[in-house]
Amino acid sequence: NAGVTQTPKFQVLKTGQSMTLQCAQDMNHEYMSWYRQDPGMGLRLIHYSVGAGITDQGEVPNGYNVSRSTTEDFPLRLLSAAPSQTSVYFCASSYSGPGTEAFFGQGTRLTVV
Amino acid sequence: AQKVTQAQTEISVVEKEDVTLDCVYETRDTTYYLFWYKQPPSGELVFLIRRNSFDEQNEISGRYSWNFQKSTSSFNFTITASQVVDSAVYFCALRPPDRDDKIIFGKGTRLHILP
Repeated sequence: NAGVTQTPKFQVLKTGQSMTLQCAQDMNHEYMSWYRQDPGMGLRLIHYSVGAGITDQGEVPNGYNVSRSTTEDFPLRLLSAAPSQTSVYFCASSYSGPGTEAFFGQGTRLTVV
Repeated sequence: AQKVTQAQTEISVVEKEDVTLDCVYETRDTTYYLFWYKQPPSGELVFLIRRNSFDEQNEISGRYSWNFQKSTSSFNFTITASQVVDSAVYFCALRPPDRDDKIIFGKGTRLHILP
């Protein structure tokens, strides 16, 4: 089982560049989400989706776009990278049933210079 | 508003000591779910336990135990006879019952187990 797969694992961007962080899961989970982890800030929710075609904003959505065209994939797009977006990004998925735990990808360490 | 507070930012204990990580949550729901995750130095997030709001029994898994008290809105995590491998960041999380609602994480507690 692959679980939740995130690519790339590491990325360096220049300010103003755009890129897409990929996230795929093979567990047929309806719920998927993106978090960023910064020192002292814990995990902050960027965007989430409760099913294909449905997305919603989390706590820190500015500067990021998402789409959910299939159940399996939930890419995160940085529109114009800024140094404040330097962070570790985690994708997670879970069943939508009550009380189900989230499964996390390995994370993407992004540096914007 | 729903919120998870882990007041302890960082804790250091000597190996073999017991340590308790605190988690306090806020919610207006009567049904909800609580979780603990571990993030070792390698960076991945590992699920440890789930608890629903109707089950206040304490849980023990080896050296790990969890104390859930609805009266104080707390879901504390104790490691008995700590080991260096327990060094990690630990996150507490709250999941509301609505399938369309998001999972809320605390800021985490960084635990250092000193040899």
